[in-house]
Amino acid sequence: AQSVTQLDSHVSVSEGTPVLLRCNYSSSYSPSLFWYVQHPNKGLQLLLKYTSAATLVKGINGFEAEFKKSETSFHLTKPSAHMSDAAEYFCVVPTSGTYKYIFGTGTRLKVLA
Amino acid sequence: ETGVTQSPTHLIKTRGQQVTLRCSSQSGHNTVSWYQQALGQGPQFIFQYYREEENGRGNFPPRFSGLQFPNYSSELNVNALELDDSALYLCASSSRDGTGELFFGEGSRLTVL
Repeated sequence: AQSVTQLDSHVSVSEGTPVLLRCNYSSSYSPSLFWYVQHPNKGLQLLLKYTSAATLVKGINGFEAEFKKSETSFHLTKPSAHMSDAAEYFCVVPTSGTYKYIFGTGTRLKVLA
Repeated sequence: ETGVTQSPTHLIKTRGQQVTLRCSSQSGHNTVSWYQQALGQGPQFIFQYYREEENGRGNFPPRFSGLQFPNYSSELNVNALELDDSALYLCASSSRDGTGELFFGEGSRLTVL
């Protein structure tokens, strides 16, 4: 069975400093993996997706993630945090056939001025 | 391009009542999925509809039911509401011929008293 584990429920960074949100996955085969962002009182927006084409994936708003099979990780990074990045971030693995998404428990990112 | 829209945005019900939530899928999408997001949790898959038939179901009791209409819009019905049904209900649409990416609405927040 596939699953994702987000290692931090809350992360606080200062504006302008790097962001690291950690996600480990478990899968019996090489999975697709997504990161979604949810701003307060908003729906979920796709940040980026890994579908086995390239291990380093670039997304919107300067975010990127690297798929590391040896570490079963798919951590989300951004070189410099902006106040508008404050939100909840979800690591997601779709099940085979992609009809069902399995979400991590989320990481709430706080950006300090 | 019209995005995913959900109604109502907020509603309050009492235990034992029934509720219907509605979703209009994004233009060109033929698949609708519903997720429940309890406070502080990641979204949990309820079920998916494709061509007006249920196509996959998560670990939810039968009192959670749905419909998909010929125009691909959808309804989520919950009978005999319980306090634990209080949550944000998210609708997502996708195309079977696409990348598997889900496009989410902003959700319907249900409070059960």
